[in-house]
Amino acid sequence: QQQVKQSPQSLIVQKGGISIINCAYENTAFDYFPWYQQFPGKGPALLIAIRPDVSEKKEGRFTISFNKSAKQFSLHIMDSQPGDSATYFCAASMGDNNDMRFGAGTRLTVKP
Amino acid sequence: DAGITQSPRHKVTETGTPVTLRCHQTENHRYMYWYRQDPGHGLRLIHYSYGVKDTDKGEVSDGYSVSRSKTEDFLLTLESATSSQTSVYFCAIRGLGNTGELFFGEGSRLTVL
Repeated sequence: QQQVKQSPQSLIVQKGGISIINCAYENTAFDYFPWYQQFPGKGPALLIAIRPDVSEKKEGRFTISFNKSAKQFSLHIMDSQPGDSATYFCAASMGDNNDMRFGAGTRLTVKP
Repeated sequence: DAGITQSPRHKVTETGTPVTLRCHQTENHRYMYWYRQDPGHGLRLIHYSYGVKDTDKGEVSDGYSVSRSKTEDFLLTLESATSSQTSVYFCAIRGLGNTGELFFGEGSRLTVL
């Protein structure tokens, strides 16, 4: 069964809008929660990551919100741009990160 | 660019034939990983290596084997390819330090007819 559930599968946002992607996890031993961005024909690349000792992390237009009690975390992209159009994956791992579990992915399209 | 090269980038093969995918890294990283990416499943770990000749299974290891005879090369072998192994395969390395960041190659698209 999928240990990290991601929604929505696809998302269309207007330029300048806010994109929100949600993930939920089951294993409370997870202690590292990254988001990866993938463009067509390329490998995923780390966008931003959080550990459960903080509830929010912001890097530029990208913010992770983390709710430990609900076992949920989300990615917010402020002022979304067409260049943000990509597939986004949430993930979770524990300990030495040798078995990172990924969500199914969200295809984001930002319309100009 | 984390210095990861995957080969071949595209391959079409027939059911029952053996296939080997190669991952080559130039930065002497200890940890290397093979993932497969399928629609609706995200990325799933097949096998990983934590040093020369040291490997372990991941979530979806059945039908796959790996070898690491040199630090820089991590090979993924499908002994007898099946149509269910049609996928995009990504190699990754773990970055230095304690961030746990994975750096991925550009992928190898395998089609098994």
